[in-house]
Amino acid sequence: AQTVTQSQPEMSVQEAETVTLSCTYDTSESNYYLFWYKQPPSRQMILVIRQEAYKQQNATENRFSVNFQKAAKSFSLKISDSQLGDTAMYFCAFMKQEGGGADGLTFGKGTHLIIQP
Amino acid sequence: DTGVSQDPRHKITKRGQNVTFRCDPISEHNRLYWYRQTLGQGPEFLTYFQNEAQLEKSRLLSDRFSAERPKGSFSTLEIQRTEQGDSAMYLCASSLVFPRAQYFGPGTRLTVL
Repeated sequence: AQTVTQSQPEMSVQEAETVTLSCTYDTSESNYYLFWYKQPPSRQMILVIRQEAYKQQNATENRFSVNFQKAAKSFSLKISDSQLGDTAMYFCAFMKQEGGGADGLTFGKGTHLIIQP
Repeated sequence: DTGVSQDPRHKITKRGQNVTFRCDPISEHNRLYWYRQTLGQGPEFLTYFQNEAQLEKSRLLSDRFSAERPKGSFSTLEIQRTEQGDSAMYLCASSLVFPRAQYFGPGTRLTVL
């Protein structure tokens, strides 16, 4: 079974600052996907960024980028030039690449990110 | 592409009653997933379909829960004899086989009194 750990329950930064959210995972799989999702207050889960484990290049999406360290089983999210609208719960999630067993996402407990004006 | 939709958005029921939720996935997505999220936690996987076939069920899915996707399009999740512990947000997501990024609906918030 896979586990995902987010060690920062809450973080608070000033608008326009850069913030990094940490995520570590444990798996015996060699091929898998990793995701960051954003869940604003009372709103639906939004996919922020995804990373295929076989790709060495770190994924980027506009102000969002990841630092994927496969050997260390670490997958952190960096948000540059943070904006008030980035305030949300952020979830790190893992999914196996191949079938056999549960094919759903395994989520961490989340990090509540607050962007202060 | 109208996104994943779920109905109803909120449901309040009394303990012991049956409830049914509906999920309409993104039209070209052949995979559909159900998750449950309790307050302050990440979502937990319940089950998923590829087309009309239910391929995996979590141990969280007790025998009071049943899910269907009869024509490979929308899906329903039924909870029989609801208990207070069933109170949660029920999330639906859909994806292609590849890439497997899952896109979530707004959820159905269930309150069991």
